[in-house]
Amino acid sequence: EIVLTQSPATLSLSPGERATLSCRASQSVSSYLAWYQQKPGQAPRLLIYDASNRATGIPARFSGSGSGTDFTLTISSLEPEDSAIYYCQQRSNWPPKYTFGQGTKLEIK
Amino acid sequence: EVQLVESGGGLVQPGGSLRLSCAASGFTFSWYDMHWVRQATGKGLEWVSAIASAGDSYYPGSVKGRFIISRENAKDSLYLQMNSLRAGDTAVYYCARARTGRIGFDIWGHGTMVTVSS
Repeated sequence: EIVLTQSPATLSLSPGERATLSCRASQSVSSYLAWYQQKPGQAPRLLIYDASNRATGIPARFSGSGSGTDFTLTISSLEPEDSAIYYCQQRSNWPPKYTFGQGTKLEIK
Repeated sequence: EVQLVESGGGLVQPGGSLRLSCAASGFTFSWYDMHWVRQATGKGLEWVSAIASAGDSYYPGSVKGRFIISRENAKDSLYLQMNSLRAGDTAVYYCARARTGRIGFDIWGHGTMVTVSS
């Protein structure tokens, strides 16, 4: 089973700062990686699909990069509403199985 | 409006069964792969099952042989039959939509709570 490890576990930054969240896979997942944002009491929201494509309606300050085993979610200029837990997700090629990282909690000071 | 609405959650005893439903609206249900994802209170996300638009189904080892995912395209509905339930299955269960061939669940329901306890 492919394991996703996210770092850091918690990130505390101020509005306007840049956030860099990491997701590392235990083996190559090609570009089969997505990023989600989850706020308390809400369902996850898709931010990035296929490693680097922004989902519909996602602000341009969110960007994804990487391939293989190392991936990054960057939030270029933090807004107060970006406070949330962020998860990465991968899909193994065959048979298709999906795993999530343990999450990074982003706090806006 | 594109929407997924889950139902069927509740309290069930260990060893019991429960069937969850997910009603889709606002899109052509039959075109999409569908998934169930769960989240225990205060914990992360766990993928539970998938059913392709063509009908093939997939499970992680933690639920394989106990859970069955199915769909009824004529009713725009997704189901999850859960058998031999354990305390560790206690969680909010979400249904989610995915485009075939793409990694990323773009539409999620609000979730339904399943509690396995005596």
